[in-house]
Amino acid sequence: AQSVTQLGSHVSVSEGALVLLRCNYSSSVPPYLFWYVQYPNQGLQLLLKYTTGATLVKGINGFEAEFKKSETSFHLTKPSAHMSDAAEYFCAVSPYSSASKIIFGSGTRLSIRP
Amino acid sequence: EAQVTQNPRYLITVTGKKLTVTCSQNMNHEYMSWYRQDPGLGLRQIYYSMNVEVTDKGDVPEGYKVSRKEKRNFPLILESPSPNQTSLYFCASTEVGSDTQYFGPGTRLTVL
Repeated sequence: AQSVTQLGSHVSVSEGALVLLRCNYSSSVPPYLFWYVQYPNQGLQLLLKYTTGATLVKGINGFEAEFKKSETSFHLTKPSAHMSDAAEYFCAVSPYSSASKIIFGSGTRLSIRP
Repeated sequence: EAQVTQNPRYLITVTGKKLTVTCSQNMNHEYMSWYRQDPGLGLRQIYYSMNVEVTDKGDVPEGYKVSRKEKRNFPLILESPSPNQTSLYFCASTEVGSDTQYFGPGTRLTVL
């Protein structure tokens, strides 16, 4: 069985500050891990993904995430927050390389203070 | 433009009145899926389809039906909607072997 836990339903940072959104997963098989972003009144958009290979994954809009197997974590970071980063972020895990079966976390709403 | 479309985008209905939410994709994807999004619960999979005439239950299938008669379409049917089905619904599609899902814009359903 697989599960995802996102720590913090709401995170608020100042513009220009570091963004850190936490995600821990549970998986009985090597996981495939994803971060999705949802802007207000829109569908989900893939931000980045880890399948195999390099554990530090770079995504769109300056975001990156590091897969740490020993910590079962896949935290999302961005060095300097922009106002346009305000959105809801979902971590997700899948047992397959195909996206046919994905388990989503409960989401973290990111707010940016001017 | 590659996209997943859903209709309607917003719907208010009453308990027990059958409704259908349509989903269509123009990318020739084999795999399609329906999710519902509720505050604090993230997205939960309702049903998915690996190809035409092949569907299976996700994590929360109770009260929903689906059909996949054509590759591009995957409608979600609520035979007798209830207030606990008030939610935001997303359709998604994926090419088999791909690890990326493409999401529709969402349908906000309110059942009174």
